[in-house]
Amino acid sequence: DAKTTQPPSMDCAEGRAANLPCNHSTISGNEYVYWYRQIHSQGPQYIIHGLKNNETNEMASLIITEDRKSSTLILPHATLRDTAVYYCIVMDNYGQNFVFGPGTRLSVLP
Amino acid sequence: ETGVTQSPTHLIKTRGQQVTLRCSSQSGHNTVSWYQQALGQGPQFIFQYYREEENGRGNFPPRFSGLQFPNYSSELNVNALELDDSALYLCASSLSTDYGYTFGSGTRLTVV
Repeated sequence: DAKTTQPPSMDCAEGRAANLPCNHSTISGNEYVYWYRQIHSQGPQYIIHGLKNNETNEMASLIITEDRKSSTLILPHATLRDTAVYYCIVMDNYGQNFVFGPGTRLSVLP
Repeated sequence: ETGVTQSPTHLIKTRGQQVTLRCSSQSGHNTVSWYQQALGQGPQFIFQYYREEENGRGNFPPRFSGLQFPNYSSELNVNALELDDSALYLCASSLSTDYGYTFGSGTRLTVV
């Protein structure tokens, strides 16, 4: 079973910020949170990951709550090409592999 | 640096046949995992190989098997194909799980 929960779908206007929430209430203290996205049945694409602190890279920002039970992925200026399924992921109980949920289908609208 | 490459990109097989899918890891990555993604669902973990040894397995029957070679490339073999095996098969490589995985574009398998 997935260790994260996400809304099944979200819409965002082109040029606006997309804020994608994720709950991971059972995460352990040393587990990272990873975000990937998948565009039209291609392989999942890495976006960002974090442990405790907020993270930013050229694609997105990741905000992790202080208790680490939830996080938010922020795409600051969404474009039509950001339309994809976004997965919030933590590792399995053995710390080896990703446990994917169904993700959030983000639709960026013109 | 090259990414993860998978072959073939598409494949059609008949129920009961056997299939071999191939994956070339990203340069320097010694860990490879395979995932099955049915239409409309998230990827499901099949198994992982680390330095040529199986290092974890998901809830898949023994007719799903694999190999990892000294150059860290990998194969996924599926025997006695069933219609429900139709899916996108993804290979992902990693140097360290702290840095996550790099995924290939997948092989689309259709069983008829």
